[in-house]
Amino acid sequence: GAGVSQSPSNKVTEKGKDVELRCDPISGHTALYWYRQRLGQGLEFLIYFQGNSAPDKSGLPSDRFSAERTGESVSTLTIQRTQQEDSAVYLCASSSGPGGTQYFGPGTRLLVL
Amino acid sequence: SQKIEQNSEALNIQEGKTATLTCNYTNYSPAYLQWYRQDPGRGPVFLLLIRENEKEKRKERLKVTFDTTLKQSLFHITASQPADSATYLCALDIRRGTYKYIFGTGTRLKVLA
Repeated sequence: GAGVSQSPSNKVTEKGKDVELRCDPISGHTALYWYRQRLGQGLEFLIYFQGNSAPDKSGLPSDRFSAERTGESVSTLTIQRTQQEDSAVYLCASSSGPGGTQYFGPGTRLLVL
Repeated sequence: SQKIEQNSEALNIQEGKTATLTCNYTNYSPAYLQWYRQDPGRGPVFLLLIRENEKEKRKERLKVTFDTTLKQSLFHITASQPADSATYLCALDIRRGTYKYIFGTGTRLKVLA
């Protein structure tokens, strides 16, 4: 596709369940980012992938959060044993080079009951 | 640690006036600074990028300045319109020349008709 896509667009889950969020970046973009945005708040960096380098996981809030990326394509963010404070919009973005524009997906709205 | 500050309070201005938003940072020497627009329920959209060796960048009604001595960027929208109402985010590369950015919390702008 022409832009970054994310699925699902909305996810409601029960506390304690695991969830998987998917991101399809723009083809050819070597960098991929995950951010979390709580209601009324700014973007909180979670993790970023750059080519075949080890990902920068410094923003992951706990070991319940993990992410993988297959080559330079799809990425999956997994949250295990979800908690109510995990409720937020999870945004994915991709970029083609240093200093380059980040193109954002529409986000996945996660609600943990 | 690195820190980015944007006016947390909403900025209300009258249509036709110039809106000026501020982004201040500490403990950085970024090579790039970007401004994004975010509408409710949507991902951020890239507006402008300015490099450390550029003092000013313009695009249509938008102007960005970058003062590396003051560690500040100003974002101006001239002849503002109600359609410019949104949240505006600044972002800086956290390590020079890398793909990794962090974002400010954003300033909400409302242009009154």
